[in-house]
Amino acid sequence: EVQLVESGGVVVQPGGSLRLSCAASGFTFDDYAMHWVRQAPGKGLEWVSLISWDGGSTYYADSVKGRFTISRDNSKNSLYLQMNSLRAEDTALYYCAKDISSGSYYKGYFDYWGQGTLVTVSS
Amino acid sequence: EIVLTQSPATLSLSPGERATLSCRASQSVSSYLAWYQQKPGQAPRLLIYDASNRATGIPARFSGSGSGTDFTLTISSLEPEDFAVYYCQQRSNWPPQWTFGQGTKVEIK
Repeated sequence: EVQLVESGGVVVQPGGSLRLSCAASGFTFDDYAMHWVRQAPGKGLEWVSLISWDGGSTYYADSVKGRFTISRDNSKNSLYLQMNSLRAEDTALYYCAKDISSGSYYKGYFDYWGQGTLVTVSS
Repeated sequence: EIVLTQSPATLSLSPGERATLSCRASQSVSSYLAWYQQKPGQAPRLLIYDASNRATGIPARFSGSGSGTDFTLTISSLEPEDFAVYYCQQRSNWPPQWTFGQGTKVEIK
């Protein structure tokens, strides 16, 4: 059974930093690209970032480019999101999600999601 | 940025009725469109990808159609568990700036 478990969400002040983690199990983690998707309270979904199966390619939404860094450790079946210079508008539930397609071609659809970890940016 | 506009915002229907949800893109996304279902307090679930392909384990009452800028998700006969919010998502552009629609809530009439 595929499981994705996020952690690391807390209340942080504007301008602060935070690192989210996602522990994956139930599938061959290093076969798949992975994503972060967020959802502000009571709002819709926003794609945040993509990392290739080997970590060699990373992509970001314009809204977080230059502030967030996605990474992975395939030896630990783990995905990360380093979040710097946090703003109030970054307040959201952050989901890690698995790409539907294995290998070097990213389908860009998300077939498994974690339950999310809540990041609140507030003074 | 490709903007996806979903309509209607809310659809009030009874179990057994047919639901038709629309998603319109601000520019062509070819067939690179997915649909997700989200229930309160739960993560989204992938229903349809590439406009018309059902994801693994999705019942046949869910179907998707369309290409270019206009897409439809149809639920042929609503089951009680289908009342939820539905989002469309495009993965057309590269480098990725993938976007979601604002959602359609299907509620019990």
